[in-house]
Amino acid sequence: DVKVTQSSRYLVKRTGEKVFLECVQDMDHENMFWYRQDPGLGLRLIYFSYDVKMKEKGDIPEGYSVSREKKERFSLILESASTNQTSMYLCASSRGLAEINIQYFGAGTRLSVL
Amino acid sequence: QQQVKQSPQSLIVQKGGISIINCAYENTAFDYFPWYQQFPGKGPALLIAIRPDVSEKKEGRFTISFNKSAKQFSLHIMDSQPGDSATYFCAASSDFGNEKLTFGTGTRLTIIP
Repeated sequence: DVKVTQSSRYLVKRTGEKVFLECVQDMDHENMFWYRQDPGLGLRLIYFSYDVKMKEKGDIPEGYSVSREKKERFSLILESASTNQTSMYLCASSRGLAEINIQYFGAGTRLSVL
Repeated sequence: QQQVKQSPQSLIVQKGGISIINCAYENTAFDYFPWYQQFPGKGPALLIAIRPDVSEKKEGRFTISFNKSAKQFSLHIMDSQPGDSATYFCAASSDFGNEKLTFGTGTRLTIIP
């Protein structure tokens, strides 16, 4: 089974803090994704990466950056957290180009910014 | 931004009944339509998916119906069980157009005994 592990289930941070959300997958997948999930808005893509050190913006990249130094690990960074970034963050991975949209999700990190 | 519109937002169905969730899309280039199931405290998991070369796909009690001309697709859950209570997301993408998954807004399904 594919396992996508997000390092924290819950995080509470203060406005202006730098926040790191970590995600690790154990299936040697090329592609990794970060989404945020908000009630009534579904899942929205923040960033994705199709290879180590490669990244592309999704639909809502403003206020976020990402890092992928190793194939199995994809980090989401909030440079200066704001209250409107309070949300559920989901990491996903998928294999190769042919299966890029067959995605496996982690359990999520619920971030509260106070 | 391409949209996928999902309805209803919430649904209550009696045990043994049929649950139906609908989605409509705009981008005619979309060619992959998955449904994801999410239980509380868990991430979404792929449930069933369809491509537009067929009008229906069935896996156990779950069926996707696809209407290409209307640009609509729906999930039917037959003989709904309390264990089916979850949030369901439809999504769409275009492999050849390099479009990533665009998700619907989700439907919270509750099956009552």
